[in-house]
Amino acid sequence: EAGVAQSPRYKIIEKRQSVAFWCNPISGHATLYWYQQILGQGPKLLIQFQNNGVVDDSQLPKDRFSAERLKGVDSTLKIQPAKLEDSAVYLCASSLAPKGRTEDQPQHFGDGTRLSIL
Amino acid sequence: SQQGEEDPQALSIQEGENATMNCSYKTSINNLQWYRQNSGRGLVHLILIRSNEREKHSGRLRVTLDTSKKSSSLLITASRAADTASYFCATDTGRRALTFGSGTRLQVQP
Repeated sequence: EAGVAQSPRYKIIEKRQSVAFWCNPISGHATLYWYQQILGQGPKLLIQFQNNGVVDDSQLPKDRFSAERLKGVDSTLKIQPAKLEDSAVYLCASSLAPKGRTEDQPQHFGDGTRLSIL
Repeated sequence: SQQGEEDPQALSIQEGENATMNCSYKTSINNLQWYRQNSGRGLVHLILIRSNEREKHSGRLRVTLDTSKKSSSLLITASRAADTASYFCATDTGRRALTFGSGTRLQVQP
């Protein structure tokens, strides 16, 4: 099966500019996650979607970050305006969620977008 | 704050040796998962152990879970150069998505 696809792989922007990342999850996966991974740390959840509804966005800096999942498939994550501390790898993951449950479901990750803020 | 914390932060061994990584967490869990991340790539799921399980095997991997101590260990036997990567534990509390630790960077010298 095809894996989680993310684009672009790399992005360099100046602070205060905006940027968008795209994710296409594995076909049939109802749950989609966006993570931020700062160098030397583990991934930190930004937002979780179940189909096209938001399950958890408690750690999303909503003054500058936004995300949507149109038609419950592809998703985009946007940062506007970017700050220096947003330099990180942004990972998208998906998992099966039969009957709305996420327990015991491994997550499948894309290779991420490495964002550098100048 | 991180739910899981791995120990050691970095580990360097020779090919053929065993590698052991530990993970401690703070709250009760439904399951604990281990992931591998090669440099510049996404995370890959290795193994999942449920809270009512004590040990699980998958190929050269052995995972143990001690819920009384809130700790887990990942053992990689007969390591290979290709095992060089960062390894993360992740806890599933059932209340939110996985919470990842800060990882152990494993270097296997050929």
